[in-house]
Amino acid sequence: ETGVTQSPTHLIKTRGQQVTLRCSSQSGHNTVSWYQQALGQGPQFIFQYYREEENGRGNFPPRFSGLQFPNYSSELNVNALELDDSALYLCASSKPGLEQETQYFGPGTRLLVL
Amino acid sequence: KQEVTQIPAALSVPEGENLVLNCSFTDSAIYNLQWFRQDPGKGLTSLLLIQSSQREQTSGRLNASLDKSSGRSTLYIAASQPGDSATYLCAVRTSSNTGKLIFGQGTTLQVKP
Repeated sequence: ETGVTQSPTHLIKTRGQQVTLRCSSQSGHNTVSWYQQALGQGPQFIFQYYREEENGRGNFPPRFSGLQFPNYSSELNVNALELDDSALYLCASSKPGLEQETQYFGPGTRLLVL
Repeated sequence: KQEVTQIPAALSVPEGENLVLNCSFTDSAIYNLQWFRQDPGKGLTSLLLIQSSQREQTSGRLNASLDKSSGRSTLYIAASQPGDSATYLCAVRTSSNTGKLIFGQGTTLQVKP
């Protein structure tokens, strides 16, 4: 196990709704990244947070937003859900300089938008 | 724009066979490259990380090589086992300032008993 946890494991929403996904980083890790993985595809980078500040963003619209808290846990918020948002959402934590900056992934939250 | 490609998309081999998975990237200016394993419906497990200054890394039956100049990495799996069946993803990190990883689409491996 990687020590990274995500909740919920599965979620069903309808188009137009809002969703919040949560991630608890591995102890001591101050960097968290979020990825979207559509079925049969590799993960796509959404954004990264370092010490509670956004530190890099992928090609995702502003309705994808995030937060990182002082304890380094994190949230991904998606507003105005679209059918194409159905995917596995993964978070990954790391601590620069530790173990060559390997990123440790959580088990993911599978979101289905109907 | 960095693009990562993995070929083949799927591979089926008999148990015990040695095999090679391929990963190519378009821009040689990378920070590091990482190989992951993903079981169906699950998260990613890091297998090996190669820094840009390194040529290879080994862990047990796994060996990953990196040739930046040609934009290629290979993951060698020795004496494959049914438990190795999974999707293998390679990912490139292009900058030390952000941990953004650019993934290939993965190679789905099936090892038959």
